[in-house]
Amino acid sequence: QVVLTQSPSASASLGASVKLTCTLSSGHSTYSIAWHQQQPEKGPRYLMKINSDGSHRKGDGIPDRFSGSSSGAERYLTISSLQSEDEADYYCQTWGTGFRVFGGGTKLTVL
Amino acid sequence: EVQLVESGGGLVQPGGSLRLSCAASGFIFSNYWMSWVRQAPGRGLEWVASIKQDGSEKYSVDSVEGRFTISRDNAKNSLYLQMNSLRAEDTAVYYCARDWTIGDSCYHFDSWGQGTLVTVSS
Repeated sequence: QVVLTQSPSASASLGASVKLTCTLSSGHSTYSIAWHQQQPEKGPRYLMKINSDGSHRKGDGIPDRFSGSSSGAERYLTISSLQSEDEADYYCQTWGTGFRVFGGGTKLTVL
Repeated sequence: EVQLVESGGGLVQPGGSLRLSCAASGFIFSNYWMSWVRQAPGRGLEWVASIKQDGSEKYSVDSVEGRFTISRDNAKNSLYLQMNSLRAEDTAVYYCARDWTIGDSCYHFDSWGQGTLVTVSS
């Protein structure tokens, strides 16, 4: 079964950029993933899907500050020009026939 | 605009039952796979169950197999989760989610509800 690994926490300053990482388990490096944002006390919001070749498809209304990329078994979410409302939990997710899997989530703090 | 509104959560005793509902609007409900995802207090997201457009395929996480049943009524644009033999560890906010769907194939979640809280406690 595929496993997604995320760092528990990350931090960056207001106006700076941050790159979050989601790592696919061995043997699953070709999987696509999706990133979801969960602001405090809110439901999740879909941000984008990232393919193994780095191509990505954003959700409706997602700002250009959010971008995605890929390298090997790693999938990235880069947030530039950080704003206070970007402080949230970020989850990666993958899927297959009969299953959906989440990473443990990364709590992003905007300093 | 896609809207998913969950209802039916509440306090239930261990061993009890509860039925969650999700009212969908803003899209052709019968064209999409749909899912339930939960989040225990202070924890991450956990997939619970998914159902194909016509209900012919259903999948769930091992921890709820045999206790929870996902279903849908396309005429009512509604998704359901029947939860039986509830345990303390089922305490969570339960979210309804739409799977991005092309033909019969499902992909990632692309829309979410706001959730409904289920508390299992005596």
